[in-house]
Amino acid sequence: DGGITQSPKYLFRKEGQNVTLSCEQNLNHDAMYWYRQDPGQGLRLIYYSQIVNDFQKGDIAEGYSVSREKKESFPLTVTSAQKNPTAFYLCATRGAIYNEQFFGPGTRLTVL
Amino acid sequence: KNEVEQSPQNLTAQEGEFITINCSYSVGISALHWLQQHPGGGIVSLFMLSSGKKKHGRLIATINIQEKHSSLHITASHPRDSAVYICAAARGTYKYIFGTGTRLKVLA
Repeated sequence: DGGITQSPKYLFRKEGQNVTLSCEQNLNHDAMYWYRQDPGQGLRLIYYSQIVNDFQKGDIAEGYSVSREKKESFPLTVTSAQKNPTAFYLCATRGAIYNEQFFGPGTRLTVL
Repeated sequence: KNEVEQSPQNLTAQEGEFITINCSYSVGISALHWLQQHPGGGIVSLFMLSSGKKKHGRLIATINIQEKHSSLHITASHPRDSAVYICAAARGTYKYIFGTGTRLKVLA
């Protein structure tokens, strides 16, 4: 069953704690992305990775970190430096033929 | 001004109505992607197009490259079509610029 999985679906953390969001894919896609979605705004790019062991900052990378040690996995860490981390986080991959992006189910992070 | 603008922001329709959602963009693009987001949050791909028109079931997407405009049409709308519809402009091979979405509610 091919696809993108994100876990957990809902995540609660206390202010000041780092938290890591999981993204796993079995689509064999090289490129992976992390987006943040806030009410009334379009999705905004946090980080992307076009290949294993390489990643680039997106438009709103401050307060976030990523790693890409395996093709299948692209975890996102929300650090205590992120001023307003409560949001919906979406992971995506990009297909090689048409450059179409495919999205995971998302993780809703609430920082208390 | 956003590089990708959608209209309307909110739309309420009666079941069976023909619906049009518009997307205008001000940047050069390689393709335009229409996405559907249900209340649970997951995003589903509807169409990706770089020219002309595509049809899938009751959904039709068109794009006019010269006018930098795309439309998504839903024929014979149904309550299950209620969702947020998002257009995303693909720039080059890796970057998307997203519209803010159109929230559609179809009443039975």
